[in-house]
Amino acid sequence: KNEVEQSPQNLTAQEGEFITINCSYSVGISALHWLQQHPGGGIVSLFMLSSGKKKHGRLIATINIQEKHSSLHITASHPRDSAVYICAPSNSGYALNFGKGTSLLVTP
Amino acid sequence: DVKVTQSSRYLVKRTGEKVFLECVQDMDHENMFWYRQDPGLGLRLIYFSYDVKMKEKGDIPEGYSVSREKKERFSLILESASTNQTSMYLCASRGFGLGANVLTFGAGSRLTVL
Repeated sequence: KNEVEQSPQNLTAQEGEFITINCSYSVGISALHWLQQHPGGGIVSLFMLSSGKKKHGRLIATINIQEKHSSLHITASHPRDSAVYICAPSNSGYALNFGKGTSLLVTP
Repeated sequence: DVKVTQSSRYLVKRTGEKVFLECVQDMDHENMFWYRQDPGLGLRLIYFSYDVKMKEKGDIPEGYSVSREKKERFSLILESASTNQTSMYLCASRGFGLGANVLTFGAGSRLTVL
């Protein structure tokens, strides 16, 4: 089983701040997903990464496969970014395990 | 877009009742998963299925069973519901192909057992 650690568990930021959420896992993987869940909302996939870096708007995700580590960055944070962010390392044919999530609150 | 549909958004059942939660995906994904989500505990895997008629226990299978008779449908069954099964249940599907690793969740089914 892939043990997944996310940090920090909770994060409060002021609007405009640069935010970093970290994810470490124990078993080598083929890909890693970053997910977002707004309060009372469903879970949506933000990124799927197998190497390097991806960027969607103000969100940037990076992964270092050798170090078993990934980061999610949010530039110029906004209150609508307030949500729980979850990382999910993935291997074909294996169960999908998750970090416990990082609860982000961005205040105006 | 891949769509994962869960049959019921909200359910209220009584202790001892048999409960069926249905999940249907429309993209021919091989893998399907059932999770429950509880405050402070994150997403915990109940069962998953690699393919039709294949199932594997997750971390918390006690009190649950599953059925996958067709590729698109993965059902979660609570044989005799108990109050500690009050939770949000989430279905997900995962597909592989053309180098893509696609993961999609349903909207969730909030079950209350009285």
